[in-house]
Amino acid sequence: DIQMTQSPSSVSASVGDRVTITCRASQGISSWLAWYQQKPGKDPKLLIYAASSLQSGVPSRFSGSGSGTDFTLTISSLQPEDFATYYCQQANSFPFTFGPGTKVDIK
Amino acid sequence: QLQLQESGPGLVKPSETLSLTCTVSGGSISRSSYYWGWIRQPPGKGLELIGTIYYSGSTYYNPSLKSRVTISVDTSKNQFSLKLTSVTAADTAVYYCARQGAGSYNWFDPWGQGTLVTVSS
Repeated sequence: DIQMTQSPSSVSASVGDRVTITCRASQGISSWLAWYQQKPGKDPKLLIYAASSLQSGVPSRFSGSGSGTDFTLTISSLQPEDFATYYCQQANSFPFTFGPGTKVDIK
Repeated sequence: QLQLQESGPGLVKPSETLSLTCTVSGGSISRSSYYWGWIRQPPGKGLELIGTIYYSGSTYYNPSLKSRVTISVDTSKNQFSLKLTSVTAADTAVYYCARQGAGSYNWFDPWGQGTLVTVSS
């Protein structure tokens, strides 16, 4: 299985801050990576697919980049509704695996 | 708008079989280009793919669970189902169903709201 890691595991930030989350795959996955946002008690929401494509309806302050083994999710200006846990998922080979998550909370 | 809804018992005894159904509304489960998956999340932990199924019945199971998992589809009811046998407390989790893209588009969207299944006597 492809192992996914994320850093940091948690980040404290303020409204308006720029936040960057890193995801690393244990082997190359080209651009087959997705990012999800999950709020407490809710299902995950797809934010980014194919490493950098913004899902319909997702605010443009979210962006993704990377290929191969290293990827980033950036929130350009953190909004109150963005406080949540973010997961990456490799979509290259079965079983598709998720990172352990990065919790973004209020500073 | 496509919606998915999980249903099934919220409490299962150890060694018994966990059975859940996902009902798809707002679209046909038989539409090509999509797989349908089950994903679980133990309380306070991360996400684990259990397996996926195509409307034709073709399945992929996570090797870590393969010996205990069966996923099936009922196109006449627009539903797909999960059975997990010989459950233990480690199988306590929120179970989600979700649509997965086919081909190389193997991300999940949308998801059901999830259902908590507790394994306890």
